[in-house]
Amino acid sequence: ELQLVESGGGLVQPGGSLRLSCAASGFTVSSNFMTWVRQAPGKGLDWVAVIYSGGSTYYVDSVKGRFTISRDESKNTLFLQMTGLRAEDTAVYYCARGAPDNTWTTPTYYFDFWGQGTLVAVSS
Amino acid sequence: EIVMTQSPATLSVSPGDRASLSCRASQSILSNLAWYQQKPGQSPRLLIYAASTRATGIPARFSGSGSGTEFTLTIDSLQSEDFAVYYCQQYSHWPPSFSFGPGTKVDIK
Repeated sequence: ELQLVESGGGLVQPGGSLRLSCAASGFTVSSNFMTWVRQAPGKGLDWVAVIYSGGSTYYVDSVKGRFTISRDESKNTLFLQMTGLRAEDTAVYYCARGAPDNTWTTPTYYFDFWGQGTLVAVSS
Repeated sequence: EIVMTQSPATLSVSPGDRASLSCRASQSILSNLAWYQQKPGQSPRLLIYAASTRATGIPARFSGSGSGTEFTLTIDSLQSEDFAVYYCQQYSHWPPSFSFGPGTKVDIK
């Protein structure tokens, strides 16, 4: 059975750091496209970062230089290291697995399975 | 940056009726579009990918159409469990971009 379990959220002061974890079961994180998506309270969904199976990473402009997505093959876990946190980073953070859309020569990825999320609150 | 818009923001529908939700991209995304359903307190669930392909386990009353910049999610014969917020998302290959629309809330009329 597929499972993604996020942890590591909490209350942090502006400028602080947190590391989110996403433990996977039922599939191998390092063999898949993975992503972090966040949702501010009462708002919509925003993708934050992605990591391809080959290791390439990409970020939304608002978190570049502050957040780092990574994975640990031995733990089958995805991470999001967040530094320089701001009030606007307050959100539920979801990890998700990407599935390839092979319609075109180069596959693109939609998000086929999501975890339940972990809340990050940035406030003094 | 590709910007996604959705309309209407809220759609009031009676159980058993059909709902049509619209999604527009600021530039052509071919068929690189997914639809997600989110209920209160839950994580999003994939409904449709490649604009018109239902994900595993999704009932046939959900259908997607469109290409380029204009897309539609249609829900036939709305069931009580279908009242939720629906998001469209584009997923571009290059540069990698996965922006979501603001969502359409489908509520009971």
